[in-house]
Amino acid sequence: AQSVTQPDIHITVSEGASLELRCNYSYGATPYLFWYVQSPGQGLQLLLKYFSGDTLVQGIKGFEAEFKRSQSSFNLRKPSVHWSDAAEYFCAVGAPGGGNKLTFGTGTQLKVEL
Amino acid sequence: ETGVTQTPRHLVMGMTNKKSLKCEQHLGHNAMYWYKQSAKKPLELMFVYSLEERVENNSVPSRFSPECPNSSHLFLHLHTLQPEDSALYLCASSQLPTSRGTGELFFGEGSRLTVL
Repeated sequence: AQSVTQPDIHITVSEGASLELRCNYSYGATPYLFWYVQSPGQGLQLLLKYFSGDTLVQGIKGFEAEFKRSQSSFNLRKPSVHWSDAAEYFCAVGAPGGGNKLTFGTGTQLKVEL
Repeated sequence: ETGVTQTPRHLVMGMTNKKSLKCEQHLGHNAMYWYKQSAKKPLELMFVYSLEERVENNSVPSRFSPECPNSSHLFLHLHTLQPEDSALYLCASSQLPTSRGTGELFFGEGSRLTVL
């Protein structure tokens, strides 16, 4: 069975600073990987996804993530954070051929200081 | 109109009440899901419907009863819940999985349930 670990529960960055949110997964082969964002009182919105191919994936809102097989990681990055990026971020893993069943991490709460 | 709409957004109920959560998707998808989001816990997949048939039930207590009358609508019927069932219940939809596996899930804004 697959699993996801987001080691940082809370992260605080200053507006304009760079951001990296960590995600490690456990799966026997190359999984499908996702990052979702949840603003207060809202549902989850997909930021980006990795299925295959280029290991650096571009998403919406200026986010990108890099799949590193050797480290079983899929970290989310943004070069310059905006105050509106404050939200909770979830990494998720899906198994190829396993249907649309995603396993989510516990989330990382991002706070942006002005 | 948003892609996935959930009602009510907030619900308070006693342990003996019967209530229902409703989800409607306007994306033409053919799979729908219920997730439970509790504080400090990962999202838990509760039910999956594919082409209106239940294909997944992750050991959810029988006090939660899903219904999918058509590909656009999904309900979660609630009966004799416990206080620990208080959570945000998220509905999602997607296209059916292909041989390549998982597709993108589109989520609603959730129904915040409080059980007294």
